[in-house]
Amino acid sequence: TQLLEQSPQFLSIQEGENLTVYCNSSSVFSSLQWYRQEPGEGPVLLVTVVTGGEVKKLKRLTFQFGDARKDSSLHITAAQPGDTGLYLCAGGGYYGGSQGNLIFGKGTKLSVKP
Amino acid sequence: DAGVIQSPRHEVTEMGQEVTLRCKPISGHDYLFWYRQTMMRGLELLIYFNNNVPIDDSGMPEDRFSAKMPNASFSTLKIQPSEPRDSAVYFCASSFGGFSYEQYFGPGTRLTVT
Repeated sequence: TQLLEQSPQFLSIQEGENLTVYCNSSSVFSSLQWYRQEPGEGPVLLVTVVTGGEVKKLKRLTFQFGDARKDSSLHITAAQPGDTGLYLCAGGGYYGGSQGNLIFGKGTKLSVKP
Repeated sequence: DAGVIQSPRHEVTEMGQEVTLRCKPISGHDYLFWYRQTMMRGLELLIYFNNNVPIDDSGMPEDRFSAKMPNASFSTLKIQPSEPRDSAVYFCASSFGGFSYEQYFGPGTRLTVT
């Protein structure tokens, strides 16, 4: 059973469109991160959210942590080809997890066509 | 600041050979993680260390895999003997222990076992 479920798995859109990616769990996390991975590279940390209901913005990207700290969303406004990549969510501090460890979702593969 | 360093970036070997992957974490980080990434299974945690001590190795597939961290600036992941199903991208990541669990990834080693 996957502790963190991401949806959709694949998303192909045109430049300029908006999109939302979801990360859901039945577990509560003390923190949740979003990473972006480009082909041939390691995941790169985009943001960390730690408070239920927290919203963070990074240029055209908006991240939200659910009130109950079980889910999160990533919204991209006016997507650009440079946003193409694999988006991974990861949760830490969950019940039954080890100190310092993160659990990763399987990711959403985003393709933005010009 | 240097990020996480991994070597080699690419490794092609024949079935049955020993493979050693190397990682240098970010200076000052006290957690080190080894992951494996495939299309089918996504990013899987193999083992992680805290202050050079292995904390959780439950993700190590079988006895053919072993990992060491002889000091705070170096870790190895060894596969002996290697098999074609070990082909994957192996990532090393490090973090500074704390509430946010943020991890910083190296560029990965792409392993191909023929």
